[in-house]
Amino acid sequence: DVKVTQSSRYLVKRTGEKVFLECVQDMDHENMFWYRQDPGLGLRLIYFSYDVKMKEKGDIPEGYSVSREKKERFSLILESASTNQTSMYLCASSFSQLAGPPHTWDTQYFGPGTRLTVL
Amino acid sequence: RKEVEQDPGPFNVPEGATVAFNCTYSNSASQSFFWYRQDCRKEPKLLMSVYSSGNEDGRFTAQLNRASQYISLLIRDSKLSDSATYLCVVNRGGTLDTGRRALTFGSGTRLQVQP
Repeated sequence: DVKVTQSSRYLVKRTGEKVFLECVQDMDHENMFWYRQDPGLGLRLIYFSYDVKMKEKGDIPEGYSVSREKKERFSLILESASTNQTSMYLCASSFSQLAGPPHTWDTQYFGPGTRLTVL
Repeated sequence: RKEVEQDPGPFNVPEGATVAFNCTYSNSASQSFFWYRQDCRKEPKLLMSVYSSGNEDGRFTAQLNRASQYISLLIRDSKLSDSATYLCVVNRGGTLDTGRRALTFGSGTRLQVQP
């Protein structure tokens, strides 16, 4: 079974604080993703990584950075948290190799999420 | 226009009913299609992939119409436990041989099955 874990389920921070959200997967997946989810807006991609030390901007990277030093771990960093970054943050991972039947390609597996409140 | 569009609902149906959700997508280069299920305050979980020829998994049937860029999900004999938000998901295209492809999620359709 794929397991994706996130460091915290709930987090409360103050405006201006530096915030680290960590994600770990145990399936040897190459790809890892960070999303935020807000009511009415759905899941929006912040950043993704397809290899160690590699990263790609998603749709809403402003105010965020990421780090991938090890294959199993992908961190999201809020350099200076702001109230508009209050959200549910979801991490996901997937295989890169297009092995197996096509309908299995690109399948992403999610962690339980971190609900971040910035005061 | 949103890349993936879904009717947000809610769809309120009695137990045992058949309900259908539809979704349209705008990227004609998309090659992978999915339905995910998300329970309240939980993470999305894969419900089923959608094959080109359509596929069935128990009470759930998914169909894909590439020409119209349309995906559907049919749930038969609805159960109370089917109450959730159903997300239509497509990949963003990209080269087939790299696997470095992100997904685009619809905002979801909420289903409430009532006793």
